[in-house]
Amino acid sequence: EPEVTQTPSHQVTQMGQEVILRCVPISNHLYFYWYRQILGQKVEFLVSFYNNEISEKSEIFDDQFSVERPDGSNFTLKIRSTKLEDSAMYFCASSEDRLVEEQYFGPGTRLTVT
Amino acid sequence: GNSVTQMEGPVTLSEEAFLTINCTYTATGYPSLFWYVQYPGEGLQLLLKATKADDKGSNKGFEATYRKETTSFHLEKGSVQVSDSAVYFCALKDTGRRALTFGSGTRLQVQP
Repeated sequence: EPEVTQTPSHQVTQMGQEVILRCVPISNHLYFYWYRQILGQKVEFLVSFYNNEISEKSEIFDDQFSVERPDGSNFTLKIRSTKLEDSAMYFCASSEDRLVEEQYFGPGTRLTVT
Repeated sequence: GNSVTQMEGPVTLSEEAFLTINCTYTATGYPSLFWYVQYPGEGLQLLLKATKADDKGSNKGFEATYRKETTSFHLEKGSVQVSDSAVYFCALKDTGRRALTFGSGTRLQVQP
């Protein structure tokens, strides 16, 4: 069964450093998403991406964040200058098209900012 | 804005017990409702969904009915197994939006 994959599973970085989290969505899916879950808190929406542009973003997704689909398979989340409060589990998800609402999630990348 | 409220966990049950996890929501439009499950060390998996009032979603013995009058989408299972131990998340997607809004999750522990 096709699945969303994410790398790395765990990333440790120092405050102020840039990090790139990588995702490979399901191959025929057209919508891509990033969510995050700070330890002990809710899963929160960050951004959705369609047709090579951001289609929706939350207040969390400020200028420190960016997303990119650099090729036909990868979808990345970049955090330019990490802060301690960026420590969280980051989930990538994808969905098939506008009419199909189910979002399929990857296993997550745990980001630890020290 | 949109919000989802779930009962606090953990919920601890014996095998073959009846399960209910409560979920209520607030939305501005006509949302679709989902239950996701997260097994230890894994990502979120879609368990079931309902897209309009009175729809019943079901999968793997779990079911939930979209109740517009009570703005609820409670998850039920008639007989839980140890393998059902996981964290369960209720979520909604409002009309015209892509974002899922999640509840805080309810941890279920099933003992043999």
